[in-house]
Amino acid sequence: GENVEQHPSTLSVQEGDSAVIKCTYSDSASNYFPWYKQELGKGPQLIIDIRSNVGEKKDQRIAVTLNKTAKHFSLHITETQPEDSAVYFCAANNQAGTALIFGKGTTLSVSS
Amino acid sequence: NAGVTQTPKFQVLKTGQSMTLQCAQDMNHNSMYWYRQDPGMGLRLIYYSASEGTTDKGEVPNGYNVSRLNKREFSLRLESAAPSQTSVYFCASSEVLAGGNEQFFGPGTRLTVL
Repeated sequence: GENVEQHPSTLSVQEGDSAVIKCTYSDSASNYFPWYKQELGKGPQLIIDIRSNVGEKKDQRIAVTLNKTAKHFSLHITETQPEDSAVYFCAANNQAGTALIFGKGTTLSVSS
Repeated sequence: NAGVTQTPKFQVLKTGQSMTLQCAQDMNHNSMYWYRQDPGMGLRLIYYSASEGTTDKGEVPNGYNVSRLNKREFSLRLESAAPSQTSVYFCASSEVLAGGNEQFFGPGTRLTVL
């Protein structure tokens, strides 16, 4: 079935370092790839998304890259800050376009 | 705008009890979703509603029922709760189906079934 794999499951960095989270997807028909941030006790919130007709997208300290041939996409956070500490989820839409398939999440800890 | 609201925030049930989780959105979105989140499992789709009057099963629908009461409200019912349904439940909405649109999530309901 459709699947999204996400790595690593935990990531610890020092403030100011960069963080990279990687995802691979199985459905070659997927064309929408959002990233969500979930803070403790809250619901996930979209931080950036990318569509299949674009290879890279940037928003201030956050960027996402997509390699459709290899079926993987990555989240890059530069100049990390303690407030970046959270759980991050990648997702891809399914072939029917009816649902998002989520990765299992990455817990990012940024220490000052 | 409140966005997506969910009630209750916390609930403890005994095995076999029933309950309904309520969800409402004020963004005039057409599509709504119910997910469950378990440790190490990410978010898994239980049911979704593409538009008012329609509902469809997601990845893990067994043991649940849903009702799209109107465009704003989408409820999730557990008819006979089981310990395996202990989880955090999130409701979400989007302008149209998940194909390429941002989903907005509620704050979640933490459910424990004893």
